[in-house]
Amino acid sequence: AQSVTQLGSHVSVSEGALVLLRCNYSSSVPPYLFWYVQYPNQGLQLLLKYTTGATLVKGINGFEAEFKKSETSFHLTKPSAHMSDAAEYFCAVLSGGYNKLIFGAGTRLAVHP
Amino acid sequence: DAGVIQSPRHEVTEMGQEVTLRCKPISGHNSLFWYRQTMMRGLELLIYFNNNVPIDDSGMPEDRFSAKMPNASFSTLKIQPSEPRDSAVYFCASRRDGNNSPLHFGNGTRLTVT
Repeated sequence: AQSVTQLGSHVSVSEGALVLLRCNYSSSVPPYLFWYVQYPNQGLQLLLKYTTGATLVKGINGFEAEFKKSETSFHLTKPSAHMSDAAEYFCAVLSGGYNKLIFGAGTRLAVHP
Repeated sequence: DAGVIQSPRHEVTEMGQEVTLRCKPISGHNSLFWYRQTMMRGLELLIYFNNNVPIDDSGMPEDRFSAKMPNASFSTLKIQPSEPRDSAVYFCASRRDGNNSPLHFGNGTRLTVT
């Protein structure tokens, strides 16, 4: 069965610093992986996705993630944090005959001046 | 594209009352999902439909919860009777079948049961 583990429920960075949010997956089939962002009082929005092809995936708002099969990881990065990046981030893997999305527990990102 | 539309945005009710949450998925999306989000348990999948048929309801907490999808453009999640521990944000999401297709979320319904 597919599953996702996000390391660190809270991450705090300074404005302008590198953002690194960690995600490891478990999957018995080639994984389809997603990162979502949730701002306060809103639903989740898609940041980026990996299905096949290039392992470095670029998303919205300057975020990117790299699929590393050998490490079963799909970490999310952004070179320079902005105050507006403060939100909760969820990693997810497609499961259940490729129709059900399994989410990690989420990582809350705080950005301070 | 109007996105996934949920109503109401907020619902406050007393314990024992019936609560109905509504969802309109994106037109053309044939899978619909109901999630519940709490601080303690995070994001939990309650049930999902494919082509209006319930496929997996293993996440529905108990018989007090029921969900229907009478047609491709409407779904309801009902709690009867409601209890304080049902207080949470309930999200509806939809997607088109296919490995490449992401999940689109509504803005959620914040339910408070007193």
